[in-house]
Amino acid sequence: QVQLVQSGAEMKKPGSSVKVSCKVFGSDFTNHFINWVRQAPGQGLEWMGGILPLRTRKDAENFGGRVSITTDESTDTVYMELRGLRPEDTAVYYCARDLHPFTFAYGFDHWGQGTLVTVSS
Amino acid sequence: EVVLTQSPDTLSLSPGERATLSCRASQSINRDYLAWYQQKPGQAPRLLIYGASKRATGVPDRFSGSGSGTDFTLTITRVEREDVAVFYCQQCSSAQVTFGQGTKLQIK
Repeated sequence: QVQLVQSGAEMKKPGSSVKVSCKVFGSDFTNHFINWVRQAPGQGLEWMGGILPLRTRKDAENFGGRVSITTDESTDTVYMELRGLRPEDTAVYYCARDLHPFTFAYGFDHWGQGTLVTVSS
Repeated sequence: EVVLTQSPDTLSLSPGERATLSCRASQSINRDYLAWYQQKPGQAPRLLIYGASKRATGVPDRFSGSGSGTDFTLTITRVEREDVAVFYCQQCSSAQVTFGQGTKLQIK
């Protein structure tokens, strides 16, 4: 069955960068958008961007170019890098697969387990 | 950016009662791109409804979605204790995805 497995928790200093991975099992890797969604402690969900491997990327306008989403087709892994970290970037970061092949944002039907990124001096 | 406003913020019901959760968009959206999620404490969100009214795989038929334009509704016909969660609506317009702030469902 489809599984998204993310890398482990990270602690970072303000101004640094973090790169979180999401390995996809049981799905045609190049056929579905993989998105990144974050959730600050006690807060709601915020979309960060998405990628359809080998084809196209959708970027959230709210992050001022601080987010890069890339893929490694040899390992069916998606990466999200967030630069210029601030304490308010402390959150759980999720990857999530789009429901239908080759379509964007009809709904995210499979989610990773989440990766806690803590930004503190 | 399309802003989604959910109401109420918190809903407290007894088992067997009907829950009606609202999601209002700041401008008209394509209902194909309206989804609902359930997030239980400590878990990732779970897709309940997509295309405004289509149930995702494995979702009980107690959950239903409706609406169009700017007003959308998630209905749980008979709430159960296991339904305690925060529910979020999501939309996509102009390749930008936004979520509502969530409605917390409590069971008395």
